[in-house]
Amino acid sequence: AQSVTQLDSQVPVFEEAPVELRCNYSSSVSVYLFWYVQYPNQGLQLLLKYLSGSTLVKGINGFEAEFNKSQTSFHLRKPSVHISDTAEYFCAVTPYSGAGSYQLTFGKGTKLSVIP
Amino acid sequence: DTAVSQTPKYLVTQMGNDKSIKCEQNLGHDTMYWYKQDSKKFLKIMFSYNNKELIINETVPNRFSPKSPDKAHLNLHINSLELGDSAVYFCASSQDRWTEAFFGQGTRLTVV
Repeated sequence: AQSVTQLDSQVPVFEEAPVELRCNYSSSVSVYLFWYVQYPNQGLQLLLKYLSGSTLVKGINGFEAEFNKSQTSFHLRKPSVHISDTAEYFCAVTPYSGAGSYQLTFGKGTKLSVIP
Repeated sequence: DTAVSQTPKYLVTQMGNDKSIKCEQNLGHDTMYWYKQDSKKFLKIMFSYNNKELIINETVPNRFSPKSPDKAHLNLHINSLELGDSAVYFCASSQDRWTEAFFGQGTRLTVV
């Protein structure tokens, strides 16, 4: 089974400041990793994903994340946030194989609040 | 065109009623899902279907029954609704189990 821990439930940050949202995972098998964003009263939208290859992945809206296998982490970063980035962010994993790969296991989410 | 559409968006109903939520995807995906998001925003898988076949059926009360009439549709029927069923239910689809999932807008179910 897999589990995902998002270390911060809330992150306030001033506009144009950098931000890092932390995600650690636990799994006995190799996994694919994802970050999703949820704006108020909307569904989830994929920000970026790591499947293989370069451990630094770039996503939409200027976000990037780095996969660290030894630390089982997949932290999300943005160098300069905007008011429009205010949302809930979810880290998720799915295993390479097995029936468990037909689902995403989510962390509990991090609410990013950008302060003008 | 909306890729994954759910209806209704809001559903308020009394305890004991039976209700359905419909989901349709126009992406040609083979895999569809139902997720439940509770009041604390925690998302948990309920069901996964691949090519109309049930793959994952998490520990969900058997009052919840998914139905997939074809690959583009995955409906959720809930019998004898309880207060604890109040949540946001998300339908999603993906090309296969390893690619990104596309989510619908959610159905906010309130049981009173």
